[in-house]
Amino acid sequence: DSGVTQTPKHLITATGQRVTLRCSPRSGDLSVYWYQQSLDQGLQFLIQYYNGEERAKGNILERFSAQQFPDLHSELNLSSLELGDSALYFCASSVFSGGSTDTQYFGPGTRLTVL
Amino acid sequence: GENVEQHPSTLSVQEGDSAVIKCTYSDSASNYFPWYKQELGKGPQLIIDIRSNVGEKKDQRIAVTLNKTAKHFSLHITETQPEDSAVYFCAATPWGAAGNKLTFGGGTRVLVKP
Repeated sequence: DSGVTQTPKHLITATGQRVTLRCSPRSGDLSVYWYQQSLDQGLQFLIQYYNGEERAKGNILERFSAQQFPDLHSELNLSSLELGDSALYFCASSVFSGGSTDTQYFGPGTRLTVL
Repeated sequence: GENVEQHPSTLSVQEGDSAVIKCTYSDSASNYFPWYKQELGKGPQLIIDIRSNVGEKKDQRIAVTLNKTAKHFSLHITETQPEDSAVYFCAATPWGAAGNKLTFGGGTRVLVKP
């Protein structure tokens, strides 16, 4: 158990809908990362937040957005869902002091199925 | 941006034998190289990592080597056991205040046959 929690574990929805994925980082970690894992694209970085502010951005679609709240939990919002958005979505957390890399601990993931 | 290639994509070994997975990266600024193990239905779990100021690191049956000149790093698992069966991912990232995004290789599915 990494200490990172994600809810829900599974999500089934229809095309065009909007969903919210939630992540709670490990105690003491200030940074949260979102990754997408699909069969054809592998594990891809989406976005990083550090202490409430966006820190780094990957190939995140405009239909996707994220935020980190004052209690450090994070939410990933996916809208206008398409079949191709079906994937595993992982949240990771780290201390990230801003000066060097540090270990990222991954949560168990949310499996999103878009029908 | 960074690009990480990982080989082989599948690896089948007999229990007790060694397994080697190799990765190459493109960005010379990368200086942190973690390896993750992912079991079915679970999130990636860090098993070992190495930073660019070190050429080799070992933790029991697992070792990682890094060649910065050639831009490649490898994972070595000795005395493999059935519980080593999983998908292994290498990753790379340059450190700095700009962020800490990991770029992953495509993964290696390892099967250890009893």
